[in-house]
Order: sequence, then structure tokens, then C-alpha cells
Amino acid sequence: DVKVTQSSRYLVKRTGEKVFLECVQDMDHENMFWYRQDPGLGLRLIYFSYDVKMKEKGDIPEGYSVSREKKERFSLILESASTNQTSMYLCASSPLPGTSGGAGQYFGPGTRLTVT
Amino acid sequence: EDQVTQSPEALRLQEGESSSLNCSYTVSGLRGLFWYRQDPGKGPEFLFTLYSAGEEKEKERLKATLTKKESFLHITAPKPEDSATYLCAVYDNFNKFYFGSGTKLNVKP
Repeated sequence: DVKVTQSSRYLVKRTGEKVFLECVQDMDHENMFWYRQDPGLGLRLIYFSYDVKMKEKGDIPEGYSVSREKKERFSLILESASTNQTSMYLCASSPLPGTSGGAGQYFGPGTRLTVT
Repeated sequence: EDQVTQSPEALRLQEGESSSLNCSYTVSGLRGLFWYRQDPGKGPEFLFTLYSAGEEKEKERLKATLTKKESFLHITAPKPEDSATYLCAVYDNFNKFYFGSGTKLNVKP
């Protein structure tokens, strides 16, 4: 079974703090993703990475950065946390598409971040 | 423009009352359509992948089907433990994923 783990289930930080969210997958997947999920807004893509040291902006990258130094690990960084970044953060991974088509994403359990 | 639209937003069923959830999409060049189940406070759990029109996949009380414009998730004789939000996602020729906003299913005993 694919396993995606996230460093924390719940996190409380103060406004202005630098926040690190870690994600690790154990299936040697090339692609990794960070989403945030808010009621009524669904899943929104923040950043994704298709290879080590590679990253692409998603739909809402402002206020976030990422790091992928190893294939299995993808970190999301909130440079200066703000209250509007209070959300559920979800990490996902997927293999490269095969000849038959796209491959689904496997999600971690999520980190509920509260910024006060 | 929405690429993936799910309906209904919410669905209440009695235990044993079969029904279907809909996922319609407008992406060009579908490379895959995916169904997920998400329980409150947890990450989405992968259910099915469909690649081409006419394809069907089954798992216990769930059956997913795909046409050129939409997918259905049929739930046969649901149980209260099937209560969850069901998400649909598509992957297109430009290597982009699009998620729908989900259908929240509540099955009452």
C-alpha cells in the first residue's frame, strides 16, 4: 500500500512565525503535491513537484514556498504565517503517467493548521 | 470555467436506498478520472481510476462508470458507514489535475 505521511496532524502557530510542513511518501513516486482545503472552496493546489529540486506553482502559491531535496520528501513553508492561512493542508503523491493514462494521487492524513 | 462539476452537493439516503453521484467534466483530452472518499478531518482515500468511455470499476457497494462527458458513482444498498464526501478528479493532456467540490453523502439507518 502507498503510504503518505505528514509531520503533524494538528499545529497551532502565531502570526508572523515561519512554519514548516513535512510530507514523506514511501512508493518512489515522482510527483508530489501540496493542497489546502477549506469549506466551500474545495481542494486548491499550492505547489507541485515532478522531480527532485523541481517545483511548479499551483493556483494559490502566494505566501508559500516549497522544497524537495529528496525524492520521497516534499516540504511546504509558510514564510510568515497569517490568519488567512488557517486551513487543512494535504500532501499527495503520484507516479508518472503510464502509457494507459494518468495515475491517481495518494493523499496523506492532512495537517490542520491554526494561525492565531 | 469549471472543469469538474459534481452533483448533487449533498445527498441524504436511507439505508438500503440506492442512488448515483454525478461528475461532469469539460477538460480536453482526458487521461484519467479518479474517485475518492473523504471522511471528516482526514485526507481523501483513493477509490477508482477510469481511463476511457465505457469503462466500469466496482468495489463492494460502489460502482464507477465513465462516458465521454461524465462519470457516475453508483451506490447500491448503502450502509451508514458509506457516509462521507465523495470527490471526483480528472487529469488532462496538459498534465493538470482538476478536482470537483465533492458530494456529501449521509446514509441514515
